[in-house]
Amino acid sequence: QVQLQESGPGLVKPSQTLSLTCTVSGGSISSGSYYWSWIRQPAGKGLEWIGRVYTSGSTNYNPSLKSRVTISLDTSRNQFSLKLSSVTAADTAVYYCARERDYWGQGTLVTVSS
Amino acid sequence: SYELTQPPSVSVSPGQTARITCSGDALSKQYAYWYQQKPGQAPVLVIYKDSERPSGIPERFSGSSSGTTVTLTVSGVQAEDEADYYCQSADSSGTFWVFGGGTKLTVL
Repeated sequence: QVQLQESGPGLVKPSQTLSLTCTVSGGSISSGSYYWSWIRQPAGKGLEWIGRVYTSGSTNYNPSLKSRVTISLDTSRNQFSLKLSSVTAADTAVYYCARERDYWGQGTLVTVSS
Repeated sequence: SYELTQPPSVSVSPGQTARITCSGDALSKQYAYWYQQKPGQAPVLVIYKDSERPSGIPERFSGSSSGTTVTLTVSGVQAEDEADYYCQSADSSGTFWVFGGGTKLTVL
């Protein structure tokens, strides 16, 4: 059974870079043909797709966030990561990682505040 | 930017049928997926590729598609089905994911 777990700082200062890691267990991140995605959800609001990385390392990003987002694979650690630069309070949200659409992490709250 | 439109809320009594719609121009070309999300929990996939049901999802959940509108149907609604439901699809090229705004299903 594939399991995903997000980790990273719960508090980030405005203008800094938000960095999160998703650790995958129960399967290799480099095997098969899967998209590994990041999705976020501000409190009381809907889901927003941030972007995804394919098993090959190719990426697609939400056009509204593209200039600030980097998603990458670390196959040696069986992880993939999210970096979101120049954050503001509007980036405060629960951040989820997911494999395709069927396996999701539990989510991690990131608050942007000084 | 591409958008998927859902009604903000749907209310039904236990045992009745709930229907939640999702509209978007590219839905005639791209599959739709439906998620159930309960408070404090991660979303759970309940329908994939318009009408397929993942293992472990009750048969009362079904999906259908017609043109640029897809519908999630919950037959014989139970109290435990009260949750937020999100549709998800992709732009016409299949490159970018998009989520609908979500529909709160209330069981009266």
